[in-house]
Amino acid sequence: GNSVTQMEGPVTLSEEAFLTINCTYTATGYPSLFWYVQYPGEGLQLLLKATKADDKGSNKGFEATYRKETTSFHLEKGSVQVSDSAVYFCALSDLKGGSEKLVFGKGTKLTVNP
Amino acid sequence: EAGVTQFPSHSVIEKGQTVTLRCDPISGHDNLYWYRRVMGKEIKFLLHFVKESKQDESGMPNNRFLAERTGGTYSTLKVQPAELEDSGVYFCASSPGRYSPLHFGNGTRLTVT
Repeated sequence: GNSVTQMEGPVTLSEEAFLTINCTYTATGYPSLFWYVQYPGEGLQLLLKATKADDKGSNKGFEATYRKETTSFHLEKGSVQVSDSAVYFCALSDLKGGSEKLVFGKGTKLTVNP
Repeated sequence: EAGVTQFPSHSVIEKGQTVTLRCDPISGHDNLYWYRRVMGKEIKFLLHFVKESKQDESGMPNNRFLAERTGGTYSTLKVQPAELEDSGVYFCASSPGRYSPLHFGNGTRLTVT
């Protein structure tokens, strides 16, 4: 079945450091790919998405490119801030069963120190 | 606009008891989803409502779980009887259309002791 593998955390960085969180997927067909973020005490929020190969999703300084050849969707940010501390989830859409449902990775906790 | 609301935010119950979780979606959102994250594992799909109908319940773990969405508004997820492995965070999400972005609630943290 479809699955998502993302790098294990936690990840701790200093402010202004470069961030990469790796995400690879296994899927039949061509799913849409997503990054969700969960800030402390809040629900999941869609951070960015890409719907086809070579698409780049971007938001709030974060970027991820849909790489079909490597089945990857790595999340990057050039300069992280303390406010980026959160749990990040990579996900793909699965249309099996007549419903578009999300298949998530395990999440990566990011802590950014001042 | 008010977001997706879930309550309670936390629930601690003993094994064998019953718990009911509630989700109020964003008004006008026909699609309502339940997901669950067991400690240290992936967030997993449980089921999907379109209005009051169950579109897909393939993720429901067993018949101790019962979800309802009477009138196509709020939804409840009942666990009866609860087992230790049911502990986790239960998320509800809603969307206006089938391929629209999901809006998630803050989740209900369920602890079964």
